[in-house]
Amino acid sequence: DQQVKQNSPSLSVQEGRISILNCDYTNSMFDYFLWYKKYPAEGPTFLISISSIKDKNEDGRFTVFLNKSAKHLSLHIVPSQPGDSAVYFCAASALGGANSKLTFGKGITLSVRP
Amino acid sequence: DTAVSQTPKYLVTQMGNDKSIKCEQNLGHDTMYWYKQDSKKFLKIMFSYNNKELIINETVPNRFSPKSPDKAHLNLHINSLELGDSAVYFCASSQDEITQYFGPGTRLTVL
Repeated sequence: DQQVKQNSPSLSVQEGRISILNCDYTNSMFDYFLWYKKYPAEGPTFLISISSIKDKNEDGRFTVFLNKSAKHLSLHIVPSQPGDSAVYFCAASALGGANSKLTFGKGITLSVRP
Repeated sequence: DTAVSQTPKYLVTQMGNDKSIKCEQNLGHDTMYWYKQDSKKFLKIMFSYNNKELIINETVPNRFSPKSPDKAHLNLHINSLELGDSAVYFCASSQDEITQYFGPGTRLTVL
């Protein structure tokens, strides 16, 4: 039972345009959401996060939007650059403290065309 | 200077063998994790340790035994390897129990 879903396996975008990566979740107990970026043969790298008390968090070219009522979040990258080509994982966490754990989606492969 | 490191990066072995994967973090974090990324690409947590104490064990077969000699190290020992154990195993660490920092992964292939 997938609690975090990234339904589109891939996305191709022209350099300079906006990339929008979507993520849906089913567990209403999730209260913190993260995006990770992964290059081949490397581990996931933390990109940006958002708490459930917010609906937007911005860091440079990266913005994450959270719609709690729809249980949906999205990562916007603008402008997209070829170096952004990677697999992007959405992750969610419920409960703080030592018992918290991350539940990951399956990932979306982003290709940014020069 | 690598923050979370794992050895080996690649591991090829026969069914039935016992093998270990080592993980070290130099971030001073209190919590460390092991994840498995299977052929369907899902990253699933296996274990977490907080200050050398086991916190999370996600119904992993008892052939898998994590060991944490100190809070900077979390090793994973696997007994009697099976074909289904073939995967990429990632170690991670965290200070706030939420934002986790991952190692480069160990690709295990069981023949």
